[in-house]
Amino acid sequence: QKEVEQDPGPLSVPEGAIVSLNCTYSNSAFQYFMWYRQYSRKGPELLMYTYSSGNKEDGRFTAQVDKSSKYISLFIRDSQPSDSATYLCATPKYNFNKFYFGSGTKLNVKP
Amino acid sequence: DVKVTQSSRYLVKRTGEKVFLECVQDMDHENMFWYRQDPGLGLRLIYFSYDVKMKEKGDIPEGYSVSREKKERFSLILESASTNQTSMYLCASSLDDRLGAKNIQYFGAGTRLSVL
Repeated sequence: QKEVEQDPGPLSVPEGAIVSLNCTYSNSAFQYFMWYRQYSRKGPELLMYTYSSGNKEDGRFTAQVDKSSKYISLFIRDSQPSDSATYLCATPKYNFNKFYFGSGTKLNVKP
Repeated sequence: DVKVTQSSRYLVKRTGEKVFLECVQDMDHENMFWYRQDPGLGLRLIYFSYDVKMKEKGDIPEGYSVSREKKERFSLILESASTNQTSMYLCASSLDDRLGAKNIQYFGAGTRLSVL
């Protein structure tokens, strides 16, 4: 079993839709979770960073962690064509010398 | 803002050539990483360095070596490039924060390497 699992998509939504991107993780000891956005032919850029359970909001983006079910989510409200990218979830190993990444979900927001 | 700079965006090399990929970060981060990213396979860790001259193998080190002579610079070396090393290579850095609060990886823009 991989440490982090993510549905690769692709996910296609109309502009203005609410998008839900999800990952599951295997180790209950994981505490820090990140979401990266990667545009085509570019490096991943950090979007959100959360610790433990709960929600974190930043503009149209909300990151949510449910430790009881080992489930992390990224919600995008009022999605825009500029949100079209691949979204990667990630979590560091306990000693922080390794990061586990999901395989990425490709999102397409249609105008 | 953290900046991780990879020396080349695109490279085309021939089989058997020795290839150097350079990465520089400007945030005094202890940790630096090299990944390759392939469709359907996601990010795979090649090598990791937690200090100058220190390195650890990642998941797929075969055919690669690394060099970290200065804290800000981490080089990936393909000793004898092969066609199966055609890929997107990503460098990343992170602070060595044992509390975890600042332990975020920052990525460079990537180098797309084609080996012919």
